[in-house]
Amino acid sequence: KAGVTQTPRYLIKTRGQQVTLSCSPISGHRSVSWYQQTPGQGLQFLFEYFSETQRNKGNFPGRFSGRQFSNSRSEMNVSTLELGDSALYLCASRHAGGQYEQYFGPGTRLTVT
Amino acid sequence: DAKTTQPPSMDCAEGRAANLPCNHSTISGNEYVYWYRQIHSQGPQYIIHGLKNNETNEMASLIITEDRKSSTLILPHATLRDTAVYYCIVSPALSNTGKLIFGQGTTLQVKP
Repeated sequence: KAGVTQTPRYLIKTRGQQVTLSCSPISGHRSVSWYQQTPGQGLQFLFEYFSETQRNKGNFPGRFSGRQFSNSRSEMNVSTLELGDSALYLCASRHAGGQYEQYFGPGTRLTVT
Repeated sequence: DAKTTQPPSMDCAEGRAANLPCNHSTISGNEYVYWYRQIHSQGPQYIIHGLKNNETNEMASLIITEDRKSSTLILPHATLRDTAVYYCIVSPALSNTGKLIFGQGTTLQVKP
């Protein structure tokens, strides 16, 4: 089985712009979670989508949003980018009955200048 | 906030066992202990989890104290490829929350 894929792998944006990141989960996985990783804050949970519905949300401003499509692929969007949004954005998937293992993608490295 | 405490860094000689400790004194009855690791520039990788009993799989062993307030991850024969940040996480089953709360982890350096 192919693993979790994320596109693009690297991205450079300017303050004030918006960005959309994409995540394709492992085939058959219906849950997708997103995380932000920075040197200062570490790995922080953004949100989880399951069957196109957001089920859980972390403590991030409304500029961070996401969605999930019927094929379980997910996108996250960050509007009005700030310098502090520079981070590695990771998505993770698990199958519907999976209670313990999340399978992470390689991440998208976003740099905001 | 993370509910675990781990040493920031540890060294281990290649071929020897690596024992990574974790304190989780406020763990609740329905919470599991998970271990993930993150090799440089990659996404985290699941290693093992446990509730009360000790667990072993092809990657590692997990020893949980009887009071469940601490645990130890054991890599029986560490290799250079085991150099990574190891995260100990306490959380309910993912089906309830869908999220993992990562702390700062332990950076394990395996040396030749």
